[in-house]
Amino acid sequence: DGGITQSPKYLFRKEGQNVTLSCEQNLNHDAMYWYRQDPGQGLRLIYYSQIVNDFQKGDIAEGYSVSREKKESFPLTVTSAQKNPTAFYLCASSIAGVAFFGQGTRLTVV
Amino acid sequence: GENVEQHPSTLSVQEGDSAVIKCTYSDSASNYFPWYKQELGKGPQLIIDIRSNVGEKKDQRIAVTLNKTAKHFSLHITETQPEDSAVYFCAAIDFGNEKLTFGTGTRLTIIP
Repeated sequence: DGGITQSPKYLFRKEGQNVTLSCEQNLNHDAMYWYRQDPGQGLRLIYYSQIVNDFQKGDIAEGYSVSREKKESFPLTVTSAQKNPTAFYLCASSIAGVAFFGQGTRLTVV
Repeated sequence: GENVEQHPSTLSVQEGDSAVIKCTYSDSASNYFPWYKQELGKGPQLIIDIRSNVGEKKDQRIAVTLNKTAKHFSLHITETQPEDSAVYFCAAIDFGNEKLTFGTGTRLTIIP
């Protein structure tokens, strides 16, 4: 089954802890993205990667980090420097501009 | 960078009527304009797209129009049905940098 998989679906963490969200795709896409979704604010780009071992900051990169060591994987780390990390996080991959999204991870920091 | 504005933020229409959602973009280099539908608790899914060399595209009850001069594009849904209720996002991309920029979304509610 081809697609893009995010895990876990729900994640709870204590304030001040780093947490890593997983994103894996078997679509053989070069480009991958991380978006944050808050109510009423649409999709805001955190980081994106056009190719393995390369990535660029999006519009709201502060407090987040990523790696792209493999084509299939683009994990996102939410660090303690992110002031308001509770949100719905969406990962996507694309080819020729056509993006395919995972089902999202809802992160709650308590 | 690219900035995409989307209107309205909420839209309610009677079942069977038409719905129109409009977006404007700022970067004239953008050349691909997809529309996504997001149902509650799920990731967005592509429903229709248009490239900059085309003015209009239709797929059954859904159509998209593009005006490159004015830098705006619109989604049209005819004969709306309850299952059309969702949040819709427009987006713009410049293939040169593959940075996909989304609008803020429209919550469409179909009233039975």
